[in-house]
Amino acid sequence: ETGVTQTPRHLVMGMTNKKSLKCEQHLGHNAMYWYKQSAKKPLELMFVYNFKEQTENNSVPSRFSPECPNSSHLFLHLHTLQPEDSALYLCASSQGQGRNEQFFGPGTRLTVL
Amino acid sequence: LAKTTQPISMDSYEGQEVNITCSHNNIATNDYITWYQQFPSQGPRFIIQGYKTKVTNEVASLFIPADRKSSTLSLPRVSLSDTAVYYCLVGDTGRRALTFGSGTRLQVQP
Repeated sequence: ETGVTQTPRHLVMGMTNKKSLKCEQHLGHNAMYWYKQSAKKPLELMFVYNFKEQTENNSVPSRFSPECPNSSHLFLHLHTLQPEDSALYLCASSQGQGRNEQFFGPGTRLTVL
Repeated sequence: LAKTTQPISMDSYEGQEVNITCSHNNIATNDYITWYQQFPSQGPRFIIQGYKTKVTNEVASLFIPADRKSSTLSLPRVSLSDTAVYYCLVGDTGRRALTFGSGTRLQVQP
């Protein structure tokens, strides 16, 4: 247990569906992250939030829409995804950004049919 | 952000010491070196972080030469459970998040 939880752990969706991934951290951190990891590939940083404000968006397609209502919760809203979006989506949190240790959740395994 | 280069994969046997070297030729003065471990279908886990010379914790040691252009993660007496991908990251306390590269896939055999 890292103090970061993600739900659901597995998700199968069609290309026309709308779904949301949820991340919650119980560590009192102020920064939260979304990563994507496709099979046999490095982690790709998608979004970074610091004190609820988005500080990084690494050219992520608009079909991925993040939401950070407070420092403890982070959502990733998904709509009209493509099969190539199938991947492990990881959430992380840290106290501050940069080199500060990131604590990762278990991930959501997403399959887009 | 400093770019890092690591071997793609390494093999070892149980009980051996494993050293994974990371090159970061353009490391900046304020940058720290951080290593993470990732098991399949799990998020990465922080292992160790250092700025210069040697850092040791209960899991690993990190050796950083004086020029800081490389670093070596040392895992003493590895076991099968150390089979994982190991990432070297370089960065400071700035607002930019660190970037995970391709990492080194370590396979430990009996």
